[in-house]
Order: sequence, then structure tokens, then C-alpha cells
Amino acid sequence: AQSVAQPEDQVNVAEGNPLTVKCTYSVSGNPYLFWYVQYPNRGLQFLLKYITGDNLVKGSYGFEAEFNKSQTSFHLKKPSALVSDSALYFCAVPNNDYKLSFGAGTTVTVRA
Amino acid sequence: NAGVTQTPKFQVLKTGQSMTLQCAQDMNHEYMSWYRQDPGMGLRLIHYSVGAGITDQGEVPNGYNVSRSTTEDFPLRLLSAAPSQTSVYFCASSSRRGRGYGYTFGSGTRLTVV
Repeated sequence: AQSVAQPEDQVNVAEGNPLTVKCTYSVSGNPYLFWYVQYPNRGLQFLLKYITGDNLVKGSYGFEAEFNKSQTSFHLKKPSALVSDSALYFCAVPNNDYKLSFGAGTTVTVRA
Repeated sequence: NAGVTQTPKFQVLKTGQSMTLQCAQDMNHEYMSWYRQDPGMGLRLIHYSVGAGITDQGEVPNGYNVSRSTTEDFPLRLLSAAPSQTSVYFCASSSRRGRGYGYTFGSGTRLTVV
């Protein structure tokens, strides 16, 4: 089965500093990988996805993710974090057309 | 706006009570699924459906029932609520077009069982 892991429960950064949220994957074949964000008391929002092609994927709200096949990683990045980026972030991989397997989630806190 | 609609947004139940969480989508997606979100565990699949009249169990199905009589609706039933079912529940839909197409989530139902 396809799976992802998020090694950090929490990430704390100062506003204006770079933000990185880590994700590693275990996938057979060519991976499809997703990032979702959950703001406090809100639903899951799609940020970006990797299917094939460029290893650097650009998404919503200024986020991007780098696919690294040799390190089996798909880290989420933002060059300059905002306080409003404070949220819960999930990496996910589809096991098939109807099931996503999620990482445990990483809570990001951006301090002013 | 097209999407997945969940009701209610919040619910408090007493142990032993039953209730139905509603989920509807208007994107004509073939696939629908229910997840529960618990701290430190990500989202776990409860039940899913690949089309009207077809449902199957996910990772954590005990205590929940589902049915899919139409393409649009996929209700989740709690038969006899237990405190262990306190969680945030998300409904999602996806297209048969393929796993790279994407998955759309509802805004969630926060359930507390006391």
C-alpha cells in the first residue's frame, strides 16, 4: 500500500522566514502526491499536487513543493511565512481513485 | 458553488444515541468516502462508495453504517454513539477520471459524544 509520513508534529517559524513542512513517501510505481491545509475550525483545502513532470510544483497561497525521487520526499515550502499560514498541514497519497492515505499532520505556527 | 456539503457542522450526542451525518456533492463524482480526523493520526477512512448502490468498509468501519442510493448523497450513520467516536468527520468525493484528478472535501462535522 502507498503511504506517506510526516516526521515533524510541529513546526515553528518567525514571520518572514522560510517555512518547510516535511513529507516522505513509500510508493510503488510513479507517485501522485498531495498537500492539504486545514485552517482552525475549517475543512481541508487543496494546496498542490505532483503527478509528473517538473519536480518543483507551485500551488495556492504562495506554497510550492519539491519532489525528490532519490530521497523519496515531497517537502512543502514557502519562502516567506505569514502569521496567517498557521494551520495544520497534511501530506497525502492516493491508494486508488477513491482513497487517500494521509500523514499524521504537521501543525505550523508562525509567530509575529 | 460546486462542491461537497456536510451537515451539521457541530453535534453533541449522548452515549447510545444514534444520528446521521449528511453529505452531498453536486459534481457528479462517482466516488465518495468518509474519513475521521483524530489528533496525531491524520485522516482515516471509515467507509467508501464507488457508485450508487455500492459501498465498502475502510480502515475504521466499526460503529458506522453507510448507504448510497443516489450519486449525490452519501450519509454516515452512527448506530449507538460512543465517546470513542468523538472526532471530526470529513466527507470527500472524487472522479473516476483518475487518482491524479483530485479529491474534494466537505467542511467537516465536529462530533462530541458525552
